[in-house]
Amino acid sequence: DVKVTQSSRYLVKRTGEKVFLECVQDMDHENMFWYRQDPGLGLRLIYFSYDVKMKEKGDIPEGYSVSREKKERFSLILESASTNQTSMYLCASSSLQPPNTEAFFGQGTRLTVV
Amino acid sequence: LAKTTQPISMDSYEGQEVNITCSHNNIATNDYITWYQQFPSQGPRFIIQGYKTKVTNEVASLFIPADRKSSTLSLPRVSLSDTAVYYCLVGEGPSSGSARQLTFGSGTQLTVLP
Repeated sequence: DVKVTQSSRYLVKRTGEKVFLECVQDMDHENMFWYRQDPGLGLRLIYFSYDVKMKEKGDIPEGYSVSREKKERFSLILESASTNQTSMYLCASSSLQPPNTEAFFGQGTRLTVV
Repeated sequence: LAKTTQPISMDSYEGQEVNITCSHNNIATNDYITWYQQFPSQGPRFIIQGYKTKVTNEVASLFIPADRKSSTLSLPRVSLSDTAVYYCLVGEGPSSGSARQLTFGSGTQLTVLP
């Protein structure tokens, strides 16, 4: 059974802290994604990676960075957490190899910055 | 980037067939149409993907007219457990290595009533 695992379901951090959100997939997928989801705004893409050490900015990269040192792991980093980064964060992965047509999502991390 | 337009919400009753239409007037030649389902506090889950005409799987059918400017997700005989948000995505297929395959809009909240 395919799996995308996010390290925490719930996280509470203080303003100014450096925050790491970890995502691991066991499907040998090339693509990995980080989104945030807020009420009324849907899912917004933060960063995307299509290979180890490669990354591309999504629609809302400001205040975030990412790291992909190994194929199975994609980390989202909040360099200095702020209250407006309180959100649900979702990680996903997908394959470049046909005929795989779908992306798989983790369960999400609900981050609260106080 | 092809923008999608879906109804914000829909109500249905158990046992009925539900059709959710998505408009994507600026769809590109290489774009696929993909639908995801999301339950509260979970990541989205792939339902179906198509390029043209009709696609059917064990969960749903996807109807795409010849001009591909819209698509309709059809859920046969819905149950209460089909209450969820449904997202229509338009983008290059997963083998493209592009994040455009996973650009989400606001989705349609389907509520199935007893």
